[in-house]
Amino acid sequence: GNSVTQMEGPVTLSEEAFLTINCTYTATGYPSLFWYVQYPGEGLQLLLKATKADDKGSNKGFEATYRKETTSFHLEKGSVQVSDSAVYFCALSGGTSYGKLTFGQGTILTVHP
Amino acid sequence: EAGVVQSPRYKIIEKKQPVAFWCNPISGHNTLYWYLQNLGQGPELLIRYENEEAVDDSQLPKDRFSAERLKGVDSTLKIQPAELGDSAVYLCASTSGGLDTGELFFGEGSRLTVL
Repeated sequence: GNSVTQMEGPVTLSEEAFLTINCTYTATGYPSLFWYVQYPGEGLQLLLKATKADDKGSNKGFEATYRKETTSFHLEKGSVQVSDSAVYFCALSGGTSYGKLTFGQGTILTVHP
Repeated sequence: EAGVVQSPRYKIIEKKQPVAFWCNPISGHNTLYWYLQNLGQGPELLIRYENEEAVDDSQLPKDRFSAERLKGVDSTLKIQPAELGDSAVYLCASTSGGLDTGELFFGEGSRLTVL
């Protein structure tokens, strides 16, 4: 079946540092890929998505590129802020995950001033 | 527009007791999901509804878990009897379109503690 693997966490950075959170996936066919974010005390919300190979999703300064050749969808941001502190989840849909999201285990990001 | 509403936000019960969670999706969203999120893990699907029909309940432990979505709007998830291992956050989500073009909208979750 489909699966998503995220880098081991948690990640702690200083403000304005560069962020990368790695995500790789295993799936049949051509899944759609997502990053969801969970801020403290809030529900999960979509951060960005990409529906086909080589697409780049972007939002709030975050970017991720759908790389079929490496089955990856790494999340990046050039300069993080304290307000980016949250839990980030990589997810996919499609193939055997049709109609639902299959999530990675999540990565806790803490940004210090 | 109101988001997905879940209640209760927190519930503490003793093992072997029953518990129920309620979800009100975004108006007009025909697809509703219940996910289970264990501490330090990503959400895992329990059940998916298309209107009133449960179209994917393969991961729902049917010996103790049940769910219903009467009239294709609100949904209730029940556990009876609860076990210690059921302590987790139960998430409800809804969407109006397919995941390829749309997104899931999540509630804040119901945190269950079983003592």
